[in-house]
Amino acid sequence: AQSVSQHNHHVILSEAASLELGCNYSYGGTVNLFWYVQYPGQHLQLLLKYFSGDPLVKGIKGFEAEFIKSKFSFNLRKPSVQWSDTAEYFCAVNAGDYKLSFGAGTTVTVRA
Amino acid sequence: NAGVTQTPKFQVLKTGQSMTLQCAQDMNHNSMYWYRQDPGMGLRLIYYSASEGTTDKGEVPNGYNVSRLNKREFSLRLESAAPSQTSVYFCATVGQVYNEQFFGPGTRLTVL
Repeated sequence: AQSVSQHNHHVILSEAASLELGCNYSYGGTVNLFWYVQYPGQHLQLLLKYFSGDPLVKGIKGFEAEFIKSKFSFNLRKPSVQWSDTAEYFCAVNAGDYKLSFGAGTTVTVRA
Repeated sequence: NAGVTQTPKFQVLKTGQSMTLQCAQDMNHNSMYWYRQDPGMGLRLIYYSASEGTTDKGEVPNGYNVSRLNKREFSLRLESAAPSQTSVYFCATVGQVYNEQFFGPGTRLTVL
């Protein structure tokens, strides 16, 4: 069964710092990859997705992620965070079937 | 378009009580899902419905039942609530092309 690992449980940053959240998955075949964000008290929203092509994908709000197939990784980055980026971030993997497997999530706290 | 809607937003039950969580979508998607979200565990799939008239178990189906009433609506029922079912429940639909999931606002359920 596929699994998704997010390396950090809680990250605390100051505004303008750079952010990188790690995500690794275990499935060896073709995958679709996603990052979702959940702001406090809200539902999950899609940040970005990768299906094929350029392994560096850009999403909303200045986020980007890089798919490295050889490392089974899909890390999320933002060069300069804002207080409004305080949220929980989830990596998710779909292997072409019905299932979307989620990582445990990383809580990001940005201090003003 | 409302996207994915869920009712109620909050609910408190006593152990042994029953209730039904409602989900509706206006995105004309075939597949609908029910997840529960618990701290440190990401989202876990309870049940899903690949199309109208079909339902299947996910990772954690015990204690739940579902009904796919029509293409728009997918309900989740707790017949005899237990404290272990205290959680936030999310409904989601799946886009036809990339298996991208769209989430509802969630129902926060507390079982005393």
